[in-house]
Amino acid sequence: DAGVIQSPRHEVTEMGQEVTLRCKPISGHDYLFWYRQTMMRGLELLIYFNNNVPIDDSGMPEDRFSAKMPNASFSTLKIQPSEPRDSAVYFCASRRAGGNTGELFFGEGSRLTVL
Amino acid sequence: SQQGEEDPQALSIQEGENATMNCSYKTSINNLQWYRQNSGRGLVHLILIRSNEREKHSGRLRVTLDTSKKSSSLLITASRAADTASYFCATDDSGTYKYIFGTGTRLKVLA
Repeated sequence: DAGVIQSPRHEVTEMGQEVTLRCKPISGHDYLFWYRQTMMRGLELLIYFNNNVPIDDSGMPEDRFSAKMPNASFSTLKIQPSEPRDSAVYFCASRRAGGNTGELFFGEGSRLTVL
Repeated sequence: SQQGEEDPQALSIQEGENATMNCSYKTSINNLQWYRQNSGRGLVHLILIRSNEREKHSGRLRVTLDTSKKSSSLLITASRAADTASYFCATDDSGTYKYIFGTGTRLKVLA
């Protein structure tokens, strides 16, 4: 299996621009998570989905952020308009329901820089 | 804050020594997991311990869990330079699938 695939790996944009981050979870995984990592705040859970349905979006910082999962193999995290404080590494992770290890499988992350 | 706390924040040891890092969390849990993150990479799962377990081993890793104190420790024995990474604990918030990560410990193993 190819693992969780995220794109782009790096994105540099200017304040006010729209940013779209993409994630392809591992096939057969029922749960998908979006995390944000910064030095100041560590790893923050933004939102997670079960069977393509958003379960908890309480970590989404504000209305500028939105996430969708139109099907089991694709999710997006959109920031519109972007601001410099959104600069961070955004991780997508997936896992199967049940299972013995409860393991989350992470992508390599999308590093976002907003100038 | 949604996060737990880990200490120390940073740890530097010589190759061959043992490394111990601690994690405290805030909510009731079903299980606690430890992850490793190499610089510039995603997190990788190391080990899971369930709330009814007190200790678990996997290779050079030993994890303990004290639910009464809401704390866990990760011991890496006979450390190697390749163990240099950040280590995070993660808990399933009140038994949900909402995984909350600690602040992490940066481990540096000197050859």
